[in-house]
Amino acid sequence: EPEVTQTPSHQVTQMGQEVILRCVPISNHLYFYWYRQILGQKVEFLVSFYNNEISEKSEIFDDQFSVERPDGSNFTLKIRSTKLEDSAMYFCASSRLDRGLYHDNEKLFFGSGTQLSVL
Amino acid sequence: SQKIEQNSEALNIQEGKTATLTCNYTNYSPAYLQWYRQDPGRGPVFLLLIRENEKEKRKERLKVTFDTTLKQSLFHITASQPADSATYLCALGPRFGSARQLTFGSGTQLTVLP
Repeated sequence: EPEVTQTPSHQVTQMGQEVILRCVPISNHLYFYWYRQILGQKVEFLVSFYNNEISEKSEIFDDQFSVERPDGSNFTLKIRSTKLEDSAMYFCASSRLDRGLYHDNEKLFFGSGTQLSVL
Repeated sequence: SQKIEQNSEALNIQEGKTATLTCNYTNYSPAYLQWYRQDPGRGPVFLLLIRENEKEKRKERLKVTFDTTLKQSLFHITASQPADSATYLCALGPRFGSARQLTFGSGTQLTVLP
């Protein structure tokens, strides 16, 4: 079964450094997302991306964050200057867009996540 | 502000029994509601989606109900097995916008005892 893949699985960085988290969404999916989960807390929406532009973003997704689809397969999340509070598990997800009324297009397929630790 | 509550952080049940998990929400009018399963260190896995005009949905041993008057969803696992042990998340889908920004509850950790 096709799956969303994320690399690396773990990333350790120093505060103030830039990090790029990488994701390969499912190939025929058109919507892409980043969510994050701080240890012991809820899964939180960061951003959605469709047709090569940001569709929606949350308050968490400030100027330090950016997303990019540099080619036909990868989807990246960049944090320009990491803070201690950015430490979390970051999940990439994708969903399809089927025509018609009776498809569960809102169903998200999540990757296994990148555990980011900012020291 | 929007609030989603899932019943008791942890739920223990005996194998073969039916597990019932609750998701309540306030200050929200979702167009649909989803349930996901999350295992430790893994991403959420989609289980079921139910829309506001649907009362009940089933998939194998899973059943979900959605009561927009009570602002509540119930998630049932019948004939539970130890392999069903995981954290179960409910997530609300917005009525406006791109309809893909999910708001998650904090989850209920289910343990099925053999």
